[in-house]
Amino acid sequence: SQTIHQWPATLVQPVGSPLSLECTVEGTSNPNLYWYRQAAGRGLQLLFYSVGIGQISSEVPQNLSASRPQDRQFILSSKKLLLSDSGFYLCAWSVSRVWAESNFGPGTRLTVT
Amino acid sequence: EDKVVQSPLSLVVHEGDTVTLNCSYEVTNFRSLLWYKQEKKAPTFLFMLTSSGIEKKSGRLSSILDKKELSSILNITATQTGDSAIYLCAVEASGGADGLTFGKGTHLIIQP
Repeated sequence: SQTIHQWPATLVQPVGSPLSLECTVEGTSNPNLYWYRQAAGRGLQLLFYSVGIGQISSEVPQNLSASRPQDRQFILSSKKLLLSDSGFYLCAWSVSRVWAESNFGPGTRLTVT
Repeated sequence: EDKVVQSPLSLVVHEGDTVTLNCSYEVTNFRSLLWYKQEKKAPTFLFMLTSSGIEKKSGRLSSILDKKELSSILNITATQTGDSAIYLCAVEASGGADGLTFGKGTHLIIQP
């Protein structure tokens, strides 16, 4: 069965510091991978998605970037965090466009101070 | 741009009440609508709806899709304090890999 991992679970970072969040998927090949962010009082906003290694599509302009160095690895990065980057970051995967509970990682709660 | 609007944004009811949560959408090439429950962690999948007029049911929760009205409702009967959560509606469009578009959610609070 497929599983998705994210780390860290929580993170407190000062403004201007760098960020690296990692997501890995097990039990599937060539998944579509997604990064979502949930800010306070808002729904889940799609940040990036990837259909293959090295292929990244950005949905919203921001100071974040994403990379996919391996088939089942998705990384979210920033060179300098802003206060507005605080939120709950969720990684997700899909294959054959099937969505269910198992598609989402456990999330990372980021607080920028 | 795909859009999902949920109402109400927040709702406070007493245990035992029945609640109806609403979701409307504007999406190009609609494929499916999904409902999730979120309690301070990753969303928990509830339902996926693709066909209009067919009710999906799980215990006290049920949902139905109206493709003509571009909307869906989520009903919870005999509410319990454990139903307190944010309920998210999301839609998926066909023809691309760009994931789900979520609404802002309905924050439901069940008072004992």
